[in-house]
Amino acid sequence: DGGITQSPKYLFRKEGQNVTLSCEQNLNHDAMYWYRQDPGQGLRLIYYSQIVNDFQKGDIAEGYSVSREKKESFPLTVTSAQKNPTAFYLCASSIRTGGLFFGEGSRLTVL
Amino acid sequence: QQQVKQSPQSLIVQKGGISIINCAYENTAFDYFPWYQQFPGKGPALLIAIRPDVSEKKEGRFTISFNKSAKQFSLHIMDSQPGDSATYFCAASYRGGTASKLTFGTGTRLQVTL
Repeated sequence: DGGITQSPKYLFRKEGQNVTLSCEQNLNHDAMYWYRQDPGQGLRLIYYSQIVNDFQKGDIAEGYSVSREKKESFPLTVTSAQKNPTAFYLCASSIRTGGLFFGEGSRLTVL
Repeated sequence: QQQVKQSPQSLIVQKGGISIINCAYENTAFDYFPWYQQFPGKGPALLIAIRPDVSEKKEGRFTISFNKSAKQFSLHIMDSQPGDSATYFCAASYRGGTASKLTFGTGTRLQVTL
């Protein structure tokens, strides 16, 4: 079945460590996105990519990095520079200006 | 800067009742208005969407009403069921490129009681 797979579902990190969240899609969508979700704040855009080897910062890119080496994959690295990384991270994909299809999310907790 | 304001923050409706969630936007360039439904621990799922050339769109028990002059749109859930209990997000975007850069509201937690 086509869809978006995020891993891991739960991740614990010590302060000062970088962690990478995986996102893979087999929908053949050109565009991919990373959102962060915090209680009471909705979803905020971290990074997005419209084509391979190209990506743009969203509204809250500081402390995060991404790569887009393959159409199917858009991993997100939460670096030690991110001051408040504990959150629910959502990956999504879309065709052009259509609706977003989301993965199941990854919950990151900093210990 | 919050460009999409959503209300109420939470809503309790009896089974069979009508659930109404409202959103207001500021950017007049927005031309795509989707609603997403999210269950706990899951990613949001696209529920229904509307473009500003129509004032209403209905899919089953779900209806979007759109008021372009007031810059407001709302989701109506008819005959609400306990299975509808979830968090609902409105969103908006514009044709600024090939990416769907959605701006989301802060969400409404709906509880449908028996």
